[in-house]
This record gives sequence, C-alpha cells and structure tokens, in this order.
Amino acid sequence: EDQVTQSPEALRLQEGESSSLNCSYTVSGLRGLFWYRQDPGKGPEFLFTLYSAGEEKEKERLKATLTKKESFLHITAPKPEDSATYLCAVRARYNNNDMRFGAGTRLTVKP
Amino acid sequence: DVKVTQSSRYLVKRTGEKVFLECVQDMDHENMFWYRQDPGLGLRLIYFSYDVKMKEKGDIPEGYSVSREKKERFSLILESASTNQTSMYLCASSLRGREVKNIQYFGAGTRLSVL
Repeated sequence: EDQVTQSPEALRLQEGESSSLNCSYTVSGLRGLFWYRQDPGKGPEFLFTLYSAGEEKEKERLKATLTKKESFLHITAPKPEDSATYLCAVRARYNNNDMRFGAGTRLTVKP
Repeated sequence: DVKVTQSSRYLVKRTGEKVFLECVQDMDHENMFWYRQDPGLGLRLIYFSYDVKMKEKGDIPEGYSVSREKKERFSLILESASTNQTSMYLCASSLRGREVKNIQYFGAGTRLSVL
C-alpha cells in the first residue's frame, strides 16, 4: 500500500531561520510527488510537482527536492507569511487519477 | 484560474440528518474528488468521479454516497449524519488521464459539525 509520512508534525522557526521539511514515501512506481500549502480554514494550494529523483523546483523562498525515497521542502530565510501547513502527496505509476497525502507539517514562523 | 467552489464554509447538523455538500468547478475537469481532513490523519479520499454518473470508492466510503449528474458538479451525501463525521470536507478537481501534470485543485473546504 502506498504510504506518505511527513516530519516533523510541527515546526517553529524564527524569521530568517532556514530549515527543511521531510516527506518520506513508499509507492509502487512513482508517477509524481506534489507539494501543497494550506492556510488555516482554506483548501490546499498547489506549489510543486516533482517527477524523478534528482529533480529540484524553486519558488521564492521554497525549494523542493526529490530522491527515490523522500522529498525535502527547503525554506530559506522564512518570513511570518510562510506560516502554513505544508502537505506532500504521491501519485503511483499505476494510478491515473487519485493521490495519497501525508498528514502535513504545520510551520510557524515568528517575527 | 481554476475555481472550485464549495457551497458552504460551515455547517452544523444534528445526528441522523441527511446532509448534502455541494461542489462546483469551472474548468471542465473530468475528475472530481471528495476528501475529509482530520488532525494528524491528513487528507483521506472518500469518493471520486472520473465522469458524469461514474464514481469510485476511496479509502473511507462508509456512511457516504455521491452524485454526479453534471460534469461541473459533484455532491457528497451523508445519509444519516453521525458525530464521527464531524470534520473538514474538501472537494478537488483535475483533468483525467496519465499526465502527472493533472494537478488537483481544491475548494476552500466545508467544516461540518454533527451534534
């Protein structure tokens, strides 16, 4: 069965303190790995898709990387507005449609 | 921009009531999904639909049913609401097929409380 585990569950950073979020996965052939951001009381908002090991994507202070077993979301010099829950999801090669989500990492950035 | 609209942001219902959650998307997507989100458990798929009148069970379909009479609209039905169905419900839509780029776009969610 496909599984996605995110760590840590919660992370508190000071503004400017860089860190990384982890997403470990087991899937029967990875078709794609997705990162979403979710603000309180809102639906998840798409950030990145990664397709193969070694791939990297960047957006402002965020950079996502992918290996054969895990993905990292690196946050460089975070600001309070980066506070949110970050969700990771995988789609398997045999699966045309749906995705398996992790439980998320709740990030708080203090000014 | 893709827009997925859920009809209610907050709902309070009584145990045993029949509850309808509505979702509409405006991007002509074939796929639509219903998830529930609970603390520590993440998003769990209830049902999804890949075409009008077509549906497939997700991981936790018990106690729920769905309806898709039109391509843009997907309804989640709680036949007899119970307190353990108190949760955040999220609707999503995507294009259909093998393309990894078929990203799921989410609505804002409906927070349902069953008393």
